Amino acid sequence: DAEITQSPRHKITETGRQVTLACHQTWNHNNMFWYRQDLGHGLRLIHYSYGVQDTNKGEVSDGYSVSRSNTEDLPLTLESAASSQTSVYFCASSPLLTGNTGELFFGEGSRLTVL
Amino acid sequence: AQKVTQAQTEISVVEKEDVTLDCVYETRDTTYYLFWYKQPPSGELVFLIRRNSFDEQNEISGRYSWNFQKSTSSFNFTITASQVVDSAVYFCALSEAGTGANNLFFGTGTRLTVIP
Repeated sequence: DAEITQSPRHKITETGRQVTLACHQTWNHNNMFWYRQDLGHGLRLIHYSYGVQDTNKGEVSDGYSVSRSNTEDLPLTLESAASSQTSVYFCASSPLLTGNTGELFFGEGSRLTVL
Repeated sequence: AQKVTQAQTEISVVEKEDVTLDCVYETRDTTYYLFWYKQPPSGELVFLIRRNSFDEQNEISGRYSWNFQKSTSSFNFTITASQVVDSAVYFCALSEAGTGANNLFFGTGTRLTVIP
């Protein structure tokens, strides 16, 4: 079955370190997204991509970067982790808009703690 | 700018009661999409429904129903005869054709607890 997987599921790191969260989907979806979930804020969009070599900033992109070298993967990098980036991170994907239902397919989430 | 407000932070009901989760949105776009997602205690996000701005018909799916009213910018979600398995955090979300129909802006969520 096609799926979307995130790794690691849990990570503890120190302030200032670089961290990369992986996201891999096997649906061959063009669109991929990274969200963070925090109490009192719901889910907020960090970065998104509509296809290979395409990346765009979301609502809370400062301190994060993504790259899209193939259809399946959209890794999220925290260049210099800060305590404010302690959160649960969700990756999601969806097919091209035409014909889709607007449903995002979410991964299981990655819990990041920055000490 | 777009905004989604879920004023109810937490709701508790006794099993078999009906419950309505409120969602109010703001957008300047004339073409937009509204969503509801469920996040059970296990943490995954489950898609429940999408409506577009041109379709104000209410929708019923089993015990779930949705009331979309453009006049009040609301997209409320009702669970009839609630069950313990309905306990979850429910998110309302909005996307706009102008800024990317797949870019969802989420409300802060409503935590529903169904007491047996």
